[in-house]
Amino acid sequence: AQTVTQSQPEMSVQEAETVTLSCTYDTSENNYYLFWYKQPPSRQMILVIRQEAYKQQNATENRFSVNFQKAAKSFSLKISDSQLGDTAMYFCALIMEYGNKLVFGAGTILRVKS
Amino acid sequence: GAGVSQSPRYKVAKRGQDVALRCDPISGHVSLFWYQQALGQGPEFLTYFQNEAQLDKSGLPSDRFFAERPEGSVSTLKIQRTQQEDSAVYLCASSLRGSSNQPQHFGDGTRLSIL
Repeated sequence: AQTVTQSQPEMSVQEAETVTLSCTYDTSENNYYLFWYKQPPSRQMILVIRQEAYKQQNATENRFSVNFQKAAKSFSLKISDSQLGDTAMYFCALIMEYGNKLVFGAGTILRVKS
Repeated sequence: GAGVSQSPRYKVAKRGQDVALRCDPISGHVSLFWYQQALGQGPEFLTYFQNEAQLDKSGLPSDRFFAERPEGSVSTLKIQRTQQEDSAVYLCASSLRGSSNQPQHFGDGTRLSIL
């Protein structure tokens, strides 16, 4: 069975600053995909960034980047130049290469302050 | 449609009633997923369809939960004899193909409250 752990229930950051959200996971398989999703109060889950486990290079999407440490089973999300619109719940998720279900962590509430 | 559409957005039911939740996936998406999200928690997998075939229903919590996708497009999640612990947000997602590297696109969810 796979598990995903997000140890930070809540985080705050000042507008324009940088924040890092932590995520660790556990799986015995070698090939999988990792995701960060954002869920604002409107409830729609929005894909932020995706990482393939077989790629060593860390994924980046504009202000969002990840630090993927496969041996440590760690997958943190860095948000640069934080904006008020980044305020949301952030979920880390894992799916096996031949799997069909996302396994989510409990989430981290991020509040961006002006 | 442009995105995954779920209805109703809110549903209140009395304990013991049956409810039906609808999901209309992105046009052309082969795979459809249902998740249950309890308050303050991450979503948990319920079931998965590829076209009209229900390939995985391992996450359905009891035989009171039933899902179908008869024509390979719209899906309905039905909960019979609802109980208070069924109160949650039910999220539907779709993806283009059945492979795991395809991102899942989520709807806004249905918030179900059982009184």
